[in-house]
Parts: sequence; C-alpha cells; structure tokens
Amino acid sequence: LAKTTQPISMDSYEGQEVNITCSHNNIATNDYITWYQQFPSQGPRFIIQGYKTKVTNEVASLFIPADRKSSTLSLPRVSLSDTAVYYCLCISNFGNEKLTFGTGTRLTIIP
Amino acid sequence: SAVISQKPSRDICQRGTSLTIQCQVDSQVTMMFWYRQQPGQSLTLIATANQGSEATYESGFVIDKFPISRPNLTFSTLTVSNMSPEDSSIYLCSVEYGIQNIQYFGAGTRLSVL
Repeated sequence: LAKTTQPISMDSYEGQEVNITCSHNNIATNDYITWYQQFPSQGPRFIIQGYKTKVTNEVASLFIPADRKSSTLSLPRVSLSDTAVYYCLCISNFGNEKLTFGTGTRLTIIP
Repeated sequence: SAVISQKPSRDICQRGTSLTIQCQVDSQVTMMFWYRQQPGQSLTLIATANQGSEATYESGFVIDKFPISRPNLTFSTLTVSNMSPEDSSIYLCSVEYGIQNIQYFGAGTRLSVL
C-alpha cells in the first residue's frame, strides 16, 4: 500500500475554493486515488476517486498529474459544513483490500 | 452504495466487562472490516472478517481481546472483552461494495470505559 502524506491542518474562509494536496510517491499501477471525508462523530464518507487527469462530481474535483505521484482535492466555494477531516488513500482495484488511513487533513472553515 | 447500521451508537461500561458491537449491512458483502479510532486520531484496522472463516487480525490486536463473529453475508459483531479505560475509543465497521471497490462505513460506536 502506498504511503500518503498530507498537511495536518488547513484553515479557509467561507466561499473560497480549498485545495488539499496529497503526496503518494510510491503509488502502484493498480492503485486508485481515493478521498474520504469524516465529520465529528461519524464514520468516513467516500468523496471522490480517480486514476489520472481530472475527475469531478457534485462534491469535489480531483486533479492527478501524469506521474500520479500526487493529487489535489479541490472543494469549490466551501461552507462551514465542509469543516471535517479529509483522508487521501491509494486503493488497489483488486478489491477486498484493507485500508491504511494516514493522519488526514483537518480542514476548518472560518465564517 | 451500501448502508451500514451499527449498534449501540455509544455506551459507557465498567472496567472488566465486555461489550458486543453489531454491524448490519443492507447488501450481501464478502468482507467486513473493523476499525478503532482513538480521540483525535486516525483510523486503525483491527481485523478483517470474511464470512465462513476466522477473522484476520492486524498486529497488536488479538482474538481473545476482540473476538469477531461473521455468521452471514450481511452481519458481523465485534466484542471488546475485559475492558479497561485504554479501550475507550470509537469502533467502526466498514464494507467494500460496488465496482469501484469503495468502502462504506458505519457511524461508529463511541465506547467509554470507566
């Protein structure tokens, strides 16, 4: 499993775009980059997953450069409800894989 | 997606007692995972439970302390045995579901041991 490195914490004001970068230098060919969001007193929730280039859904965008050694989660126009811990993981597409969670990034949105 | 229900959502227990946490999924899944999350920390995998076989435990976790049952494809239990205050934590179950191999998590069980 590829080790991931993220900033421990970030602050941002409401309405701004937030970009959280994750480093995964040892990502394997079969790995997908997957982001989870965790609110206090809840289990992690899947946000977005990608293999390369750009992926966008109703919640976020994920940018992955050609070498795949890093990725950036982009949250457009954040609100207070986006305050959470965000985890970046590299997950094999073989399935039934145990997940290794890093420290995550604690994002705090300021009114 | 898969919907996961965990019971109880929280409990306060006395030292030396045991608590069994239930995890119910709305779909049949091959593997279920149990995690522990200590206050302010990330998630740590306790064990992987495959229906019809013994659970596989991660380093630092043993079956005598955290026995797991997996009687069918939609249900699992984790027991925290002979509890001490150090077992105070959030315990979460998860399942892998769908073609993207995404894991879905329950809301967790917040355990406090006095």
